[in-house]
Amino acid sequence: EVLLVESGGGLVKPGGSLRLSCAASGFTFSSYNMNWVRQAPGKGLEWVSSITSDSRYIYQPDSVKGRFTISRDNAKNSLFLEMNDLKAADTAIYYCARDDPLAEDAFDIWGQGTMVTVSS
Amino acid sequence: QSVLSQPPSASGTPGQRVTISCSGSRSDIGSNTVNWYQQLPGTAPKLLIYSNDQRPSGVPDRFSGSKSGTSASLAVSGLQSEDEAHYYCAVWDDSLNVVFGGGTKLTVL
Repeated sequence: EVLLVESGGGLVKPGGSLRLSCAASGFTFSSYNMNWVRQAPGKGLEWVSSITSDSRYIYQPDSVKGRFTISRDNAKNSLFLEMNDLKAADTAIYYCARDDPLAEDAFDIWGQGTMVTVSS
Repeated sequence: QSVLSQPPSASGTPGQRVTISCSGSRSDIGSNTVNWYQQLPGTAPKLLIYSNDQRPSGVPDRFSGSKSGTSASLAVSGLQSEDEAHYYCAVWDDSLNVVFGGGTKLTVL
């Protein structure tokens, strides 16, 4: 079974840091580009970061550039999101998602999400 | 405010056909393919339509997508109660950013 499982969420104070992980199984992780997408409570989806299969290219919106770092360890089938200088606006469920090149890079597999709450 | 514009809500009765629109610009929908995601209450999003009009394996053919110019549409025919969910359009734009629509909540009356 193809599976993505996020972990690492929790409660953090403004200005703090957190590292999210996403464990992949059931497919050849090293062959796929990967992504992070977040959803604030009661709001829509927001793309956070993307990384190519070989880590050569990283894409991010301006809203997280300089604060969030996406990385991966293909040997451990894992994706990461290092988040620094967290703000209340970063409070959201964070999903990792697989990028399917056969589906025009649509996000075909999603994890169940991990909740990040930024509050004093 | 989302780059792609969707109506916040849509509704229909069981068996009806409902369409949800997604409006963008030349640099996103106008030059790239559109994907649609379904998010049932309390669950992670699920890929519903990719490449404008393609259904992943397992998605009923009641769901269909189309694109024209800088707009796209998702149609749900033979509406069923289990279709009640939020629906999001999304594209990779010309700057290699992923942009989502604000989402449409579909209610089955």
